[in-house]
Amino acid sequence: EVQLEESGGGLVQPGGSLRLSCAASGFTFSSYWMHWVRQAPGKGLVWVSRIKTDGSSTNYADSVKGRFTISRDNAKNTLYLQMNSLRAEDTAVYYCTRVVRWFDPWGQGTLVTVSS
Amino acid sequence: QSALTQPASVSGSPGQSITISCTGTSSDVGGYNFVSWYQQHPGKAPKLMIYDVSNRPSGVSNRFSGSKSGNTASLTISGLQAEDEADYYCSSYTSSGTYVFGTGTKVTVL
Repeated sequence: EVQLEESGGGLVQPGGSLRLSCAASGFTFSSYWMHWVRQAPGKGLVWVSRIKTDGSSTNYADSVKGRFTISRDNAKNTLYLQMNSLRAEDTAVYYCTRVVRWFDPWGQGTLVTVSS
Repeated sequence: QSALTQPASVSGSPGQSITISCTGTSSDVGGYNFVSWYQQHPGKAPKLMIYDVSNRPSGVSNRFSGSKSGNTASLTISGLQAEDEADYYCSSYTSSGTYVFGTGTKVTVL
């Protein structure tokens, strides 16, 4: 069964940092582009970032560019999102997802709360 | 990249058909046949319902169908059931090589 499981969320103060992880299983992780998508409380889905199969290419939404870094470890079947200089507006559930031309599957999400 | 435009809410009675629109531009919806649709129940992760405009993944009911005309894609749910009450989001590949989601539509079964 194809599965994604996020971890690393929590409460962090404005200006702080957090690293999210996403453990993949049930498929050949190194063959797929992987993405992060977030959803603020009561709001819609927003695309955040993506990384190529071998990690050689990355893209970011303008709202996180320069503050977030996506990476992957294909040997560990794990996707990461390093989040620095966090702001209140980064508060959201963060989902990792596998992408071909569509997003499937999705992890259960991990909640990041930025608050003092 | 601006979000694709969806109606905030759509409602229908059990057994009826409803259609949700998703309007973008020639740089996303209109430029590629890479539109997908997702269903999200409260507190749950999104679930893929339609990919590449009109294809259904294995296990998704054939009551769900997708189409596209110009810069607008549509999701139709026929034979509406109580379990279809959820939020629905469209998504499209964009000319910048990234993806964009729609604003989301809350479907209510009356």
